[in-house]
Amino acid sequence: QSVLTQPPSASGTPGQRVTISCSGSSSNIESYYGYWYQQLPGTAPKLLIYKNDQRPSGVPDRFSGSKSGTSASLAISDLRSEDEGDYYCATWDDSLRGVLFGGGTKVTVL
Amino acid sequence: EVQLLESGGGLVQPGGSLRLSCAASGFTFTTYSMAWVRQAPGKGLQWVSGISAGGNNAFYADSMKGHFTISRDNAKNTLYLQMNSLRAEDTAIYYCTKGLGTSVSGIEYWGQGTLVTVSP
Repeated sequence: QSVLTQPPSASGTPGQRVTISCSGSSSNIESYYGYWYQQLPGTAPKLLIYKNDQRPSGVPDRFSGSKSGTSASLAISDLRSEDEGDYYCATWDDSLRGVLFGGGTKVTVL
Repeated sequence: EVQLLESGGGLVQPGGSLRLSCAASGFTFTTYSMAWVRQAPGKGLQWVSGISAGGNNAFYADSMKGHFTISRDNAKNTLYLQMNSLRAEDTAIYYCTKGLGTSVSGIEYWGQGTLVTVSP
């Protein structure tokens, strides 16, 4: 089934580490690069991680990505209030012949 | 600096049509894939359609096939989305996006979006 599953929410206190999972299948995450996007309130999404674990210039190294089998993960270390927002994983899907987004995870800094 | 400027959004009645445009600058338009992604109010991101750098390969989300048409004019550095038979569920912010390479895959940059509202 062509779905990327993310937890709807994640939270932590300032300075903590938060991890967001993205579960897919052999037709998507397992076979193609994973991407992560950050959408802060009222703004357009922004690329956070590309090709599973690469950070674009300007993205702090507090953000890291990984992939194993049919799952990808985004970790945010040293959590800050400005990290509050929605985070989406994405990848190509062979069955759909298109890009698939996860449902998004809302990160809250307590 | 990469800039993606969408236009053409607005209020349209159910069954109507709209054509979105995206003027791109700050990069070599002819060497990157482009795509449209939408976001309904209060909802997540939904990929709509993508087109390869040369314009010869276009892909659509299942629910958009036969309903939307993506195209590009590489001479004008402009991406388009022709939307026909619009329905209430097409109401969303439509983002123009730039790919990471020539083929449709990951998205590198996003425009600020243009709002499409389908309502009587």
